[in-house]
Amino acid sequence: EVQLVESGGGLVKPGGSLRLSCAASGFTFSSYSMNWVRQAPGKGLEWVSSISSSSSYINYADSVKGRFTISRDNAKNSLYLQMNSLRAEDTAVYYCAREVEEQWLVIHCWYFDLWGRGTLVTVSS
Amino acid sequence: SSELTQDPAVSVALGQTVRITCQGDSLRSYYASWYQQKPGQAPVLVIYGKNNRPSGIPDRFSGSASGNTASLTITGAQAEDEADYYCNSRDSSGKHLGVFGAGTKVTVL
Repeated sequence: EVQLVESGGGLVKPGGSLRLSCAASGFTFSSYSMNWVRQAPGKGLEWVSSISSSSSYINYADSVKGRFTISRDNAKNSLYLQMNSLRAEDTAVYYCAREVEEQWLVIHCWYFDLWGRGTLVTVSS
Repeated sequence: SSELTQDPAVSVALGQTVRITCQGDSLRSYYASWYQQKPGQAPVLVIYGKNNRPSGIPDRFSGSASGNTASLTITGAQAEDEADYYCNSRDSSGKHLGVFGAGTKVTVL
């Protein structure tokens, strides 16, 4: 079965650290760029970070740059998000998502065709 | 603030048609993708590209684009279509960052 399964969420104090994992199965993980997307309670979706298939290209939202680190291990079919200096506003469900990017003539298409169920991170004292 | 603008909420009578829009400068270079999210569930891709539906998405969902505006149309809305809908693309900075619209809550009456 093609799926993504996140783990590693939990309760952490402000200033603390947490490492999220995303296990991929059912597809060739090493062929895809991957992303983290989060959703604060009662709020909308927020893109967090992306990593290319070979880890050559990495991007972060301004809200997490310098605090979060995305990485992957293609041999283990796994995606990671190391979160340091956590703040209350980082409280959210964190989803991993498989990315597809295509170019059709002069227009690009960038979308997430597979999502995990998410893992909840709560930052509170 | 989001670089993709969506109306917060729309309502539609059962069986009628509803259109949700998404505006942003990046949509001149990128097709928007659209996601449906029901309470307590992960988002699901419903439209990508010019007007493409992933396998399993009903053909009552369609997409279109013009200038800096993308639209998602549900033709013959069903009760199970009641959900939040988000548009998404790269942002307009050229830095290959991602951005989501704030979401549109669709209520089926």
